[in-house]
Amino acid sequence: GNSVTQMEGPVTLSEEAFLTINCTYTATGYPSLFWYVQYPGEGLQLLLKATKADDKGSNKGFEATYRKETTSFHLEKGSVQVSDSAVYFCALYPSTGGFKTIFGAGTRLFVKA
Amino acid sequence: NAGVTQTPKFQVLKTGQSMTLQCAQDMNHNSMYWYRQDPGMGLRLIYYSASEGTTDKGEVPNGYNVSRLNKREFSLRLESAAPSQTSVYFCASSGTANSGNTIYFGEGSWLTVV
Repeated sequence: GNSVTQMEGPVTLSEEAFLTINCTYTATGYPSLFWYVQYPGEGLQLLLKATKADDKGSNKGFEATYRKETTSFHLEKGSVQVSDSAVYFCALYPSTGGFKTIFGAGTRLFVKA
Repeated sequence: NAGVTQTPKFQVLKTGQSMTLQCAQDMNHNSMYWYRQDPGMGLRLIYYSASEGTTDKGEVPNGYNVSRLNKREFSLRLESAAPSQTSVYFCASSGTANSGNTIYFGEGSWLTVV
């Protein structure tokens, strides 16, 4: 079946550090891949997405590349800010069957000033 | 631009009481969802509705009922609340492949059952 696995948190970084949050998936065909972000006290919101292999999604300095060969969609940011402190969810929407979004468990990021 | 609106934002219930969480979306989306989020458990799908007039169980439907009142509204009912239903509840909606299957979430409803 379809599944998403992302690195456990929390991840604690100092401001201006480089961020990587790993995400791998299991799915048949070519799912769409997403990163959602949840700031404290709020609902999830779309951060970026990619719909086909080798696509790069980007937003607010964050990037993730759809790697079909490694079934991965790792989230990266070159220089994090305190305001990036949040929970990040990797997700997929399958291209075959199911047609419900599958979420990873979420990774909490703390950024220290 | 309201998006997905859910009420109430906070609620305290006594064990055995009933309540309904209301949700409405103004994006003309076909699909709507109810999730719960517990510490360390991520998001779990309770029920979803792929289109007006249809509802289906998700991962954790026990103790809940839903109604897709029309295309805009999707309510979640707890018939006899239990402490295990203390959680944050999120309503969400999504459109079609044209909108990239992105899910749009409400701001959440914090429910405590004592």
